[in-house]
Amino acid sequence: EAQVTQNPRYLITVTGKKLTVTCSQNMNHEYMSWYRQDPGLGLRQIYYSMNVEVTDKGDVPEGYKVSRKEKRNFPLILESPSPNQTSLYFCASSFSLGTSGSNEQFFGPGTRLTVL
Amino acid sequence: DAKTTQPPSMDCAEGRAANLPCNHSTISGNEYVYWYRQIHSQGPQYIIHGLKNNETNEMASLIITEDRKSSTLILPHATLRDTAVYYCIASDSWGKLQFGAGTQVVVTP
Repeated sequence: EAQVTQNPRYLITVTGKKLTVTCSQNMNHEYMSWYRQDPGLGLRQIYYSMNVEVTDKGDVPEGYKVSRKEKRNFPLILESPSPNQTSLYFCASSFSLGTSGSNEQFFGPGTRLTVL
Repeated sequence: DAKTTQPPSMDCAEGRAANLPCNHSTISGNEYVYWYRQIHSQGPQYIIHGLKNNETNEMASLIITEDRKSSTLILPHATLRDTAVYYCIASDSWGKLQFGAGTQVVVTP
């Protein structure tokens, strides 16, 4: 089944304790992206990757890191989490942007993160 | 990316068609209109997209006005499972998806 998976789905942690949220897709998609969703602010893009070893900042990249060493994986790293990073996080992937409007993005189920 | 405007909420009776409007008066020539929906904090789900012509798939129909300043998403026979927040997004095929507040659709029995 074609899908985007995220782990963990729920996480409660404390300020300053490094964590990684994994994202994996099995559709051979080139484009991958991370969003966060907060009440009243909607979904905002954190980082995106057009292909392996190519990453770029989205709208709210501060406090986050990403890597794209393999096509299928795009982990989100919080080196020193803070309470303002408490949010619902979504990973998304797309086959290839820029071709006939094919910006159909597939989203993962979400990771609910709480930083105390 | 062009900004879109949607009503904050709308109700629809089960079995009836739901017509969701979206204004995108500043849309540029290379921007597509995309519709996604999000059911109760699940990951957003792609519905349909179009550039100029009307589009139809198994989920919905998309009607885009000739001047492309507005569009309507039509759910032909709404079910309770269609209760969700629906997002209209104008984006070129290279860009990120700029989600607004969307329209909360509640389908009632």
